Amino acid sequence: QVQLQESGPGLVKPSQTLSLTCTVSGGSISSGDYYWSWIRQPPGKGLEWIGYIYYSGSTYYNPSLKSRVTISVDTSKNQFSLKLSSVTAADTAVYYCARAPATGDIDYWGQGTLVTVSS
Amino acid sequence: QPVLTQPPSSSASPGESARLTCTLPSDINVGSYNIYWYQQKPGSPPRYLLYYYSDSDKGQGSGVPSRFSGSKDASANTGILLISGLQSEDEADYYCMIWPSNAWVFGGGTKLTVL
Repeated sequence: QVQLQESGPGLVKPSQTLSLTCTVSGGSISSGDYYWSWIRQPPGKGLEWIGYIYYSGSTYYNPSLKSRVTISVDTSKNQFSLKLSSVTAADTAVYYCARAPATGDIDYWGQGTLVTVSS
Repeated sequence: QPVLTQPPSSSASPGESARLTCTLPSDINVGSYNIYWYQQKPGSPPRYLLYYYSDSDKGQGSGVPSRFSGSKDASANTGILLISGLQSEDEADYYCMIWPSNAWVFGGGTKLTVL
């Protein structure tokens, strides 16, 4: 059974960089035709796709966030990571990591981690 | 990125059916895309329910009851999630999603209340 777990600071100061890691267990991040993704949800609001990294290493980002986002993978640790720079209060959200096969159904999600941007 | 429009709320009684809609912008043809549906309950991540492309190309998530089904209304450029035989446990937020050009796009979500 594949499991994903987000980790990282729960509080980030404005203008700083938000950094989160997703640890994958129960399967190798480098095997298979999967998209490893970050999705966020501001409190009381809907889902917003941030971006994903394909198992081949290609990355795709939400155009509205592209200038501030970097997603990378560390296959030796079976982890992938999110960096979001120059954060503001509008970036306060629950951040989910997730996996989707090429068929597009997001089949596994982490439990989510709340990141608050505040001084 | 395109905007998928979902009604903010919907309600129905136990045993009835709920029809949740996801309208695509006019420049995107609903007939060209899989429509994915997710259910989210408070404090939990979303759960994949199903996708619908056509009657011959659709899929159900693991363990998702058959009373959840998808369809499209091409005339309204809309994807539809139908939940029949509503149960109290179906009360949740429901999100649609499409996957155009290497990007995932979510609708704003519909809060379904089971009265």
